[in-house]
Amino acid sequence: EVQLVQSGAEVKKPGESLKISCKGSGYSFTSYWIGWVRQMPGKGLEWMGIIYPGDSDTRYSPSFQGQVTISADKSISTAYLQWSSLKASDTAMYYCARLITPGVYDYWGQGTLVTVSS
Amino acid sequence: EIVMTQSPATLSVSPGERATLSCRASQSVSSNLAWYQQKPGQAPRLLIYGASTRATGIPARFSGSGSGTEFTLTISSLQSEDFAVYYCQQYNNWPPETFGQGTKLEIK
Repeated sequence: EVQLVQSGAEVKKPGESLKISCKGSGYSFTSYWIGWVRQMPGKGLEWMGIIYPGDSDTRYSPSFQGQVTISADKSISTAYLQWSSLKASDTAMYYCARLITPGVYDYWGQGTLVTVSS
Repeated sequence: EIVMTQSPATLSVSPGERATLSCRASQSVSSNLAWYQQKPGQAPRLLIYGASTRATGIPARFSGSGSGTEFTLTISSLQSEDFAVYYCQQYNNWPPETFGQGTKLEIK
């Protein structure tokens, strides 16, 4: 069974760093792109970027380039999303998802809620 | 960036009736269009990709149509579990990809 399991909710202060994770199982982790999607409170879905764990090829949305870093450790089938300095506006639910074909996400993680507040 | 516009923002339909949701792209995306369903507190779920191909396990009452800039998601006979928010997403010239703002399907 394909599963993407994300790390738990986080509460951080502005300026702090954070790395959240997404662990894949039940399939060949290195053979599928993994994407990250942001959903701010009460809002829609925003594509942040993708990574191919097989060779760590990474692409970012222009809106998120330079704001976050996407990485993966294929030895433990885990993708990451990290911030070096959080802002209150980073408060959101973050989802990872597997791509079955370019741009199409078939399996999603349960989401990680990130709250940034002083 | 391709802008996706969904209409209406909210659709009120009675159980058992048909629901028709629309999605328009600011420029042609060919058939590179997907639909997702999201229920409160849950992750999105893939319903349709390639504009009209149902994802694995999706009931036949869900159907997608369209190409170019105009797309439709039809739910033929609404069940209680279908009331949710629906997003269209284009993935032409991927990446990037963009989502519509969503249509909330509520019980009338």
